[in-house]
Amino acid sequence: DAGVIQSPRHEVTEMGQEVTLRCKPISGHDYLFWYRQTMMRGLELLIYFNNNVPIDDSGMPEDRFSAKMPNASFSTLKIQPSEPRDSAVYFCASSSLLDSPLHFGNGTRLTVT
Amino acid sequence: AQSVTQLDSQVPVFEEAPVELRCNYSSSVSVYLFWYVQYPNQGLQLLLKYLSGSTLVKGINGFEAEFNKSQTSFHLRKPSVHISDTAEYFCAHSPQGGSEKLVFGKGTKLTVNP
Repeated sequence: DAGVIQSPRHEVTEMGQEVTLRCKPISGHDYLFWYRQTMMRGLELLIYFNNNVPIDDSGMPEDRFSAKMPNASFSTLKIQPSEPRDSAVYFCASSSLLDSPLHFGNGTRLTVT
Repeated sequence: AQSVTQLDSQVPVFEEAPVELRCNYSSSVSVYLFWYVQYPNQGLQLLLKYLSGSTLVKGINGFEAEFNKSQTSFHLRKPSVHISDTAEYFCAHSPQGGSEKLVFGKGTKLTVNP
């Protein structure tokens, strides 16, 4: 089991550019979560999916953010257009059941200049 | 709103010393509490969790935590720390026991010095 795989590990982009973050959950896990981590706000849940369907996207900061899960093994988080305040570490996590522990990926460190 | 408060943002200790990382939660209903650890440049991983039963919960790597309802606390302890315990520790709270409404504290950076 390779764990949750995120790519890229680091992303540096200029303000206004589109950014796409990718996540491959652990095989067999039905739940997928996207979190954002910043010094000021800590860890925030952005959105989560169950069986590829978005269940709660109330944490998505604004319309510039979108997330998709086209199949059970892949999810994307897109920011368009990006802004400097989007700079953060974005984590993907998966779990087999809602009462199972989360398995986190190593995160994508996004820097928007 | 439910929340968890980690009282210390940084805790420096010497190797082999005991450590306690403090966490208080605010809730008047059933609570489910977790401690996660984040090693440098990695994602979080579960240390231990309290759902019900014994108020003393043992986790991985020699850590344990005690649920105290009267003090609304869930402090994490280890009797003797190692250099490898240097990491950031997050207390989390879930009103329903699952992962869908996990609320994380701001984290406590534990630094173990030789």
